[in-house]
Amino acid sequence: DTGVSQDPRHKITKRGQNVTFRCDPISEHNRLYWYRQTLGQGPEFLTYFQNEAQLEKSRLLSDRFSAERPKGSFSTLEIQRTEQGDSAMYLCASSATGGRTEAFFGQGTRLTVV
Amino acid sequence: AQSVTQLDSHVSVSEGTPVLLRCNYSSSYSPSLFWYVQHPNKGLQLLLKYTSAATLVKGINGFEAEFKKSETSFHLTKPSAHMSDAAEYFCVVMVAGGYNKLIFGAGTRLAVHP
Repeated sequence: DTGVSQDPRHKITKRGQNVTFRCDPISEHNRLYWYRQTLGQGPEFLTYFQNEAQLEKSRLLSDRFSAERPKGSFSTLEIQRTEQGDSAMYLCASSATGGRTEAFFGQGTRLTVV
Repeated sequence: AQSVTQLDSHVSVSEGTPVLLRCNYSSSYSPSLFWYVQHPNKGLQLLLKYTSAATLVKGINGFEAEFKKSETSFHLTKPSAHMSDAAEYFCVVMVAGGYNKLIFGAGTRLAVHP
């Protein structure tokens, strides 16, 4: 499968715990995005990487959130001291550089904070 | 600022009847617009995209959309609904000069009845 893959698909954690999600983009794509989708809403932009550089962060991304993309390949999104409001679907997408190219999405990681 | 508004949160049709999902956009620039579909437990899939070429855009699975600048609309249509079309549909605008960041509408849930 050469699409965008995310791991894990589901995560249940207790409030206050740290969690980390992984995204493997399509191999030739140097653009990588993280979005968050809460129930009944459309996805909202969180952050963007061009290769290994994090070039844009949404105000939705509080200090408890950090994202990395070492070596411009896979990316991780970490949430520290999780809160119930962090419960959502976290989506990763990648696209090629150049023009208005489409984004390809992974199946997402569903986080439930209890 | 760019945005999209999906005018219906739920649409219900009978199998074999036409589908119309409505979307209005707001953009200071010539926008790039997309429709994505999300089936349960599956990733977002691109249905079609408009990037300032032909105003009538054909997509996968028999869907099409027409870009109407005078009405700032980008409605999604299909002549004959199939049971497998039941899903959540998102109208999306790409932010100009913003690393191809996407802004999603709130979504329209399409139900198809026998």
